Amino acid sequence: AQSVTQLDSQVPVFEEAPVELRCNYSSSVSVYLFWYVQYPNQGLQLLLKYLSGSTLVKGINGFEAEFNKSQTSFHLRKPSVHISDTAEYFCAVSQQGGSEKLVFGKGTKLTVNP
Amino acid sequence: NAGVMQNPRHLVRRRGQEARLRCSPVKGHSHVYWYRQLPEEGLKFMVYLQKENIIDESGMPKERFSAEFPKEGPSILRIQQVVRGDSAAYFCASSPPGRTGELFFGEGSRLTVL
Repeated sequence: AQSVTQLDSQVPVFEEAPVELRCNYSSSVSVYLFWYVQYPNQGLQLLLKYLSGSTLVKGINGFEAEFNKSQTSFHLRKPSVHISDTAEYFCAVSQQGGSEKLVFGKGTKLTVNP
Repeated sequence: NAGVMQNPRHLVRRRGQEARLRCSPVKGHSHVYWYRQLPEEGLKFMVYLQKENIIDESGMPKERFSAEFPKEGPSILRIQQVVRGDSAAYFCASSPPGRTGELFFGEGSRLTVL
């Protein structure tokens, strides 16, 4: 079984500041890793995913994440945030070789202030 | 959004009534997943279906909840004799045949039980 821990439930930052949203996972098997974003009253949209290859993954809207196998982490970063990045961000894993079934963390609410 | 359609978007039921939530996956997608999101919680997996088959229902409550994905028509999540604790957002996601590493989410159905 897999589990995902998002260490920060809320992250407030000022516009144009850098941000890092932390994610750690636990699994006895190899996994794929994902970050999704949810805007208020909307569904989830994929930001980026790690399946294999380079451990630094670039996604949409200027976000990137780095897979660190030894630390079982997949932290999300953006060098300069905008007001429009205010949303909830979910880290998720799925089992390699299994279905697309995702196990989600509890989410991090990013609030970007002017 | 790649076109997963969920309806109704909002549903209000009184305790003891039935709730039916519908999900039409992206055209060509043959896999459907249902997730439940409670306030301040991440998304919890409920069930994974392919056409006419339940593949994994490990997240479904043992009583009152059922799901189907018929050969023709949308996938249905059915909750009988609803209780206040069933109030949540229910999200459907779909994926195409083969392993792509991505789920496409609908905008959710928000159930309120009075």
